[in-house]
Amino acid sequence: AQKITQTQPGMFVQEKEAVTLDCTYDTSDPSYGLFWYKQPSSGEMIFLIYQGSYDQQNATEGRYSLNFQKARKSANLVISASQLGDSAMYFCAMREGQGGFKTIFGAGTRLFVKA
Amino acid sequence: EAQVTQNPRYLITVTGKKLTVTCSQNMNHEYMSWYRQDPGLGLRQIYYSMNVEVTDKGDVPEGYKVSRKEKRNFPLILESPSPNQTSLYFCASSLIDRGASPLHFGNGTRLTVT
Repeated sequence: AQKITQTQPGMFVQEKEAVTLDCTYDTSDPSYGLFWYKQPSSGEMIFLIYQGSYDQQNATEGRYSLNFQKARKSANLVISASQLGDSAMYFCAMREGQGGFKTIFGAGTRLFVKA
Repeated sequence: EAQVTQNPRYLITVTGKKLTVTCSQNMNHEYMSWYRQDPGLGLRQIYYSMNVEVTDKGDVPEGYKVSRKEKRNFPLILESPSPNQTSLYFCASSLIDRGASPLHFGNGTRLTVT
């Protein structure tokens, strides 16, 4: 069965430093996609980055990169040069390629950026 | 502007009083879904729809109904709300392609059932 695990309920990072948010997943489907979303205190959900299971290179989007280790079933989000505006809840999500279009989410990690 | 519109943003109701949360998207997305967000549990899928008149249960469908009569609209119906349905609800939509299209979310509906 699909499962997403985020083991860090909360994390602190100093402004301008890099931070890694952990995400592990479980699936038996060889075709799947991994997503990260950001939820600021205002509540909206913002898409950050996508990694496909067959993608050879790690995805990058500006200051966001996804450290994809397929054999370990991990898809960690790396935020470089943290900014105060990065303080938010971050969710890892997975969509399997077969059997519909279901997307499941992890419990989330709350990131606090300190000035 | 491309968006998913949910209404209302806030709703306080009493046990057993039927309510509907509306969701509309203007991006011609085939896929629409409802999630509820609870602390420590992340987002859990309630129902989803792959196209008009095609709906299916997610992980937590009990106590909810949906319909997809038009491509753009996907209302969530609580026939007899109970306090355990107090939550933050999100509607989301997406293209159906090879799976890379992200979900586009509405701004959420915070529901309180007393």
